[in-house]
Amino acid sequence: LAKTTQPISMDSYEGQEVNITCSHNNIATNDYITWYQQFPSQGPRFIIQGYKTKVTNEVASLFIPADRKSSTLSLPRVSLSDTAVYYCLVGDEGTGRRALTFGSGTRLQVQP
Amino acid sequence: DTGVSQDPRHKITKRGQNVTFRCDPISEHNRLYWYRQTLGQGPEFLTYFQNEAQLEKSRLLSDRFSAERPKGSFSTLEIQRTEQGDSAMYLCASSFPAGDLYGYTFGSGTRLTVV
Repeated sequence: LAKTTQPISMDSYEGQEVNITCSHNNIATNDYITWYQQFPSQGPRFIIQGYKTKVTNEVASLFIPADRKSSTLSLPRVSLSDTAVYYCLVGDEGTGRRALTFGSGTRLQVQP
Repeated sequence: DTGVSQDPRHKITKRGQNVTFRCDPISEHNRLYWYRQTLGQGPEFLTYFQNEAQLEKSRLLSDRFSAERPKGSFSTLEIQRTEQGDSAMYLCASSFPAGDLYGYTFGSGTRLTVV
């Protein structure tokens, strides 16, 4: 399984752009990169998924360089409600041979 | 369909008792997953089903744990002879069949406290 490394915590202020980078040096050809968000006492929530280059949705953008050994989740103009834990996962969802494995995530604290 | 439902939300039990949790996935999803999460850690995979077949079990799933999905719809997770180390949030998730790339939908979890 591809192991992921991401910062334990980050701090930001309301209105700023936040970029969380995840390293996954052993990513396999069939692996996709997925990010989840988790608030206290709730299950994780799917944010965005990508394979290469850039993916954007209404919540975030995901940047993946050509070598795919890292990825960056970008949250534009964060608010207090974006305070949460963000997980980067790498998995074989294309074939679904195995379930996703979560790391410890990045704890984002947004200050007013 | 309002998402993945888990019942109960909270459970307090005495050490040595058996507990059972229920998960109702999104009806169109044929995959169902169980995870366990302790404070400050990411969710740990326990097991998953495709329809009624249990396809993968983690080493974390000791012989005191058993999961079923008898008709390929709802699932139950039973813990026998609970121990204090079993105290955690138990999360259920469901997803579309392999090949769909929209991720897992998680429930809000069942918080188990063993006293």
